[in-house]
Amino acid sequence: EAGVAQSPRYKIIEKRQSVAFWCNPISGHATLYWYQQILGQGPKLLIQFQNNGVVDDSQLPKDRFSAERLKGVDSTLKIQPAKLEDSAVYLCASSLDRGISYEQYFGPGTRLTVT
Amino acid sequence: RKEVEQDPGPFNVPEGATVAFNCTYSNSASQSFFWYRQDCRKEPKLLMSVYSSGNEDGRFTAQLNRASQYISLLIRDSKLSDSATYLCVVIGSYSSASKIIFGSGTRLSIRP
Repeated sequence: EAGVAQSPRYKIIEKRQSVAFWCNPISGHATLYWYQQILGQGPKLLIQFQNNGVVDDSQLPKDRFSAERLKGVDSTLKIQPAKLEDSAVYLCASSLDRGISYEQYFGPGTRLTVT
Repeated sequence: RKEVEQDPGPFNVPEGATVAFNCTYSNSASQSFFWYRQDCRKEPKLLMSVYSSGNEDGRFTAQLNRASQYISLLIRDSKLSDSATYLCVVIGSYSSASKIIFGSGTRLSIRP
């Protein structure tokens, strides 16, 4: 079974530029998550989708971050404009469903450096 | 106080030793608990769920103490390959959404 795919794996941009990340979850997984992991910290949930609807985006900085999952499959996360503090690994995860007992499977992440 | 707290470590123990670490949480209504393992520069992977009655998977034992609001992970007969960061995950129900919170992780280093 193919895992969660993410691209690009690495990205370096200057502050105030824009960047987009792509995620393709495991086939058949209804729930998709985007996390931000800053060095030395645990992943922080940015947004959770159930199919193509948003379940929780309470920690998404909406003035600069946006995410969509239009057809309920793959998803994009965008940052516009980027700030230095956005330097982090952006992890995408998926689970079969949104219930609290479902295991999350993580992709390899996109390592973003903002200079 | 953080919603989920872990001792960052590092815990540096010899191969074959037993090591345990805890994760405390502040929301008494939290419903699900997990331990994930994260190797350096890799993605987190599920190690085990934590059940109310405690559960064991080989050399790993997880326990939940609701009264004191913490979960624990015990690793027996530690191997070099156990060196990693261990993340606890606490999921609580907030209105219609389940709030997912990761701890900052505990670093474990097993020495030969």
